[in-house]
Amino acid sequence: DGGITQSPKYLFRKEGQNVTLSCEQNLNHDAMYWYRQDPGQGLRLIYYSQIVNDFQKGDIAEGYSVSREKKESFPLTVTSAQKNPTAFYLCASSMGETMQFFGPGTRLTVL
Amino acid sequence: EDKVVQSPLSLVVHEGDTVTLNCSYEVTNFRSLLWYKQEKKAPTFLFMLTSSGIEKKSGRLSSILDKKELFSILNITATQTGDSAVYLCAVLIYNQGGKLIFGQGTELSVKP
Repeated sequence: DGGITQSPKYLFRKEGQNVTLSCEQNLNHDAMYWYRQDPGQGLRLIYYSQIVNDFQKGDIAEGYSVSREKKESFPLTVTSAQKNPTAFYLCASSMGETMQFFGPGTRLTVL
Repeated sequence: EDKVVQSPLSLVVHEGDTVTLNCSYEVTNFRSLLWYKQEKKAPTFLFMLTSSGIEKKSGRLSSILDKKELFSILNITATQTGDSAVYLCAVLIYNQGGKLIFGQGTELSVKP
């Protein structure tokens, strides 16, 4: 089955902790993206990567970090520097500049 | 600053009604406009519009783009309760690695 998987589905974090969200795709897509969605709002771009070992900041990159060591994988780390991390995080991928396909999302809650 | 605005933000209709969702944009380097449907989790792709005036259809859903007036509409005819979702409009920016700029979304609720 081709698609995008994200794990975990739900994640709880204490203040001051770093957490890493997983995103894997087997669509052979070159580009991958991380978005954040807050209640009643659209998606905001955190980071994106067009090729392995290269990535760019999106509109709200502060407090987040990423890596792209493999084409299939684009993990996102939410650091303690992120002031308000409670949100729904969506990973997406695409073959170049075209429609993006989304994973099921991770809901992060800071306790 | 690139901007995508959707209206209305929320809408309640009854089964069988026809609805029109609006999306306007102000962006540099426009490439395409996309519509997604989001039901509690992952947005699912509906349409991608690149050319002005050409309607795209899929069952009861249709969409059209006006590049002169910088807007798009998404029509849903004979609505069903399964159409209840958030509908997201996004603009694909040319030559920026596939970057999408999203609107706030329109929350549609279809009552039986």
